This record gives sequence, structure tokens and C-alpha cells, in this order.
Amino acid sequence: SQTIHQWPATLVQPVGSPLSLECTVEGTSNPNLYWYRQAAGRGLQLLFYSVGIGQISSEVPQNLSASRPQDRQFILSSKKLLLSDSGFYLCVLRVIGTDTQYFGPGTRLTVL
Amino acid sequence: AQTVTQSQPEMSVQEAETVTLSCTYDTSESNYYLFWYKQPPSRQMILVIRQEAYKQQNATENRFSVNFQKAAKSFSLKISDSQLGDTAMYFCAFGSAAGSYQLTFGKGTKLSVIP
Repeated sequence: SQTIHQWPATLVQPVGSPLSLECTVEGTSNPNLYWYRQAAGRGLQLLFYSVGIGQISSEVPQNLSASRPQDRQFILSSKKLLLSDSGFYLCVLRVIGTDTQYFGPGTRLTVL
Repeated sequence: AQTVTQSQPEMSVQEAETVTLSCTYDTSESNYYLFWYKQPPSRQMILVIRQEAYKQQNATENRFSVNFQKAAKSFSLKISDSQLGDTAMYFCAFGSAAGSYQLTFGKGTKLSVIP
């Protein structure tokens, strides 16, 4: 079965600092990968998705970016964090040929 | 674009009783999936149950069942014999069956099971 790892689990960063969140998956090949953000009062929002290495689609214009350097690695980045970037970031996996998406343990980001 | 509405921000139920969480959605797609996810205090999102839109039969997983009314675009979750471990946020989600297969979530219902 597939496993999703995310790190760090918790992060506190000052406004204007850079960001790098990492997600790695095991137990499957060529998955679809997604970054969702869960912010207070705004539910879960899709930020990026990737169908393969180097292929990134952005759903929401913002100061965040994503990359997929390897089949099982998905990275969320920012050059300068904003207060509004605070939230719970979830890496999600969809096995090709199925409809169900599986969630990683998440990273709680607080921007001060 | 799809929208998902959960009209009950909070609910409570006595242990061993039955509770129903409501969800309605709006879409122009004909082929899609619907899900209920549970998020306990640990914040790990756990899939509770899924339903394919083309199936008329309501999905069931142990104590969890759904009432899927496609024409009414309604997808409620029934939890029978509620347990303390059912205390969590519950999210209804619409899943596209094409393109990015992205999920569109409702804002969630906070369920408390009272001993």
C-alpha cells in the first residue's frame, strides 16, 4: 500500500522568509500528486497538482510554487512568505486508474 | 466549477446513537465521485466512504452509510452506533472523474460524540 511522508511536521517562519516543504511517496509509481492548503475559515483549497516529473499545474495565483524533481517527490516553495500563507499543508496522492485520493500527515505552517 | 455545501457547522450525538451529516453539491458534470473524509484532532485526513455517481446503490462501510440522491444533488452521511472515536471534523468532497481529478471540499461539520 502507498505511504506519504511530509516534512517538516511543524514550521514557524517570519514574514519574508523562504519556504520549502517536501513530500515523498512510497508504494506506487507515476502517481498524481497534489498540494492542498487548509486555512482557518476557508476549508481545503487545491494549490497545485502534478501528473508527472516536471509537470505542474497551478490552481490559484499566489506567491507559492511547486516542483516535482522525481516521480515520488513533490516540493512546495516560496521565495518570500506572507502572513496569509499560514495554514495546514497537505500532500495528496492519487494512484493512476483509481479515483480515491490519500492524504499525507500534513505540515502546519505559521508565518509571524 | 463545483461547489459543496455542508450546512451544519457543528453537531453532537450521544454515544451509541445515530447521527446524519448533510451535504449538497452543485455540478454540471455527469460522471463524478463523492467522498466523506474524517479529520480527527491529529489532523490526518481519513477516507470514510466513497460513492460513484453512476451507481444508484448507496455505499456502506460498517457503521457508515450514505444516502445519495443524485437528482437532488444530496449526499448525506449516516453514522450508526456512534463511538467516542468518531469525534472529528467531517468533510464532504466532490471528485471530478476527468482532468486533474481534483477534490472540492465543503467547509466541514464538527461532530462531537458525548459519552
